[in-house]
Amino acid sequence: GESVGLHLPTLSVQEGDNSIINCAYSNSASDYFIWYKQESGKGPQFIIDIRSNMDKRQGQRVTVLLNKTVKHLSLQIAATQPGDSAVYFCAENMRGAAGNKLTFGGGTRVLVKP
Amino acid sequence: EAQVTQNPRYLITVTGKKLTVTCSQNMNHEYMSWYRQDPGLGLRQIYYSMNVEVTDKGDVPEGYKVSRKEKRNFPLILESPSPNQTSLYFCASSLYGGGTEAFFGQGTRLTVV
Repeated sequence: GESVGLHLPTLSVQEGDNSIINCAYSNSASDYFIWYKQESGKGPQFIIDIRSNMDKRQGQRVTVLLNKTVKHLSLQIAATQPGDSAVYFCAENMRGAAGNKLTFGGGTRVLVKP
Repeated sequence: EAQVTQNPRYLITVTGKKLTVTCSQNMNHEYMSWYRQDPGLGLRQIYYSMNVEVTDKGDVPEGYKVSRKEKRNFPLILESPSPNQTSLYFCASSLYGGGTEAFFGQGTRLTVV
């Protein structure tokens, strides 16, 4: 598969444990935030998003937390499975006159140990 | 099946030889965009399009062109490729723009020698 990052921070997690992936964003004017999952050799896949007026949003086995005070975003994966091994990207969206603009973080690699 | 299709998946070319990477989506999305992905830099937006005949520059547009003559297609054109354009390229589409529910293509690995 394609290497998406030679120097990515890596989170090693035991299968069945919970994973927490962190992300710092830069723009306080961003109106929503998104988490993507990218498996080897594939394009990013939308996981979950959260609007800037929310603190928490839950999906299936995933929870995103937003702390606007410190511009911090986290993705929690419950009961991590081998299929969760991937690179995870956060992105912030800012709406401007020319439309939406997405800015991605550098990514975090998650390795699930059996 | 909803999908974004890019072609080719892999391409090796020489400096200066014009090339086009095609992107097509079957979801009737208005918003399409191109990104490049480089180690340690995440995805950076090259160009985006909010609708037919409406395109605008992203963060790294230099050396690239795009066109949006019809809603489903958004080709990326490199008029005179250079080695610093060696990268992994992704096309994406979404209904409302931005990142929510964006669909990405499988990627095009371009090497310019």
